[in-house]
Amino acid sequence: DQQVKQNSPSLSVQEGRISILNCDYTNSMFDYFLWYKKYPAEGPTFLISISSIKDKNEDGRFTVFLNKSAKHLSLHIVPSQPGDSAVYFCAASDNYGQNFVFGPGTRLSVLP
Amino acid sequence: GAVVSQHPSRVICKSGTSVKIECRSLDFQATTMFWYRQFPKQSLMLMATSNEGSKATYEQGVEKDKFLINHASLTLSTLTVTSAHPEDSSFYICSALAWREGLETQYFGPGTRLLVL
Repeated sequence: DQQVKQNSPSLSVQEGRISILNCDYTNSMFDYFLWYKKYPAEGPTFLISISSIKDKNEDGRFTVFLNKSAKHLSLHIVPSQPGDSAVYFCAASDNYGQNFVFGPGTRLSVLP
Repeated sequence: GAVVSQHPSRVICKSGTSVKIECRSLDFQATTMFWYRQFPKQSLMLMATSNEGSKATYEQGVEKDKFLINHASLTLSTLTVTSAHPEDSSFYICSALAWREGLETQYFGPGTRLLVL
């Protein structure tokens, strides 16, 4: 059973609009969450993270929201740009940064 | 959903020894698996692409004689770190390709933490 789920395999958004990527997890022991961005033929690149003591973390156009009671996190990208088109992976871990569990990813397409 | 396992999850070894890490797709067949190494700032570096029944394709700068990859079956790929040194200490993650609602998707294993003393 997957402990980290990204139920939307793909998402299309118009340039300039907001992209919202969702992630759900089942293990209440997870206390650190990360988002990765992956282009074809490259490894996933770290994008932004959040620890369980926070409910929001911002970095430029990227904001991650964490709802612990719902075991849900989301990544907001605003405004979306064509260069944001990639696969986005949500990952979770316990022991603060070790033993990652990745979600299956969501393919984001930002249309010009 | 598709599940990928790695064994062992953690390993400590002495310098000069070899360590084998297994990556298994538990409920699906994967003709293609990938091996990554985690670097500071949490990014994953693609080391090699493992194809069942053929030689692995290594990324530039990755020594194929040092990191031996064998994809002997549709559910198992192994990475052997030969003559390990302390600088090989890292977090190694594998992933396997599968189809999900018509899209090719990567499913990641939980990773193996290697410490070379």
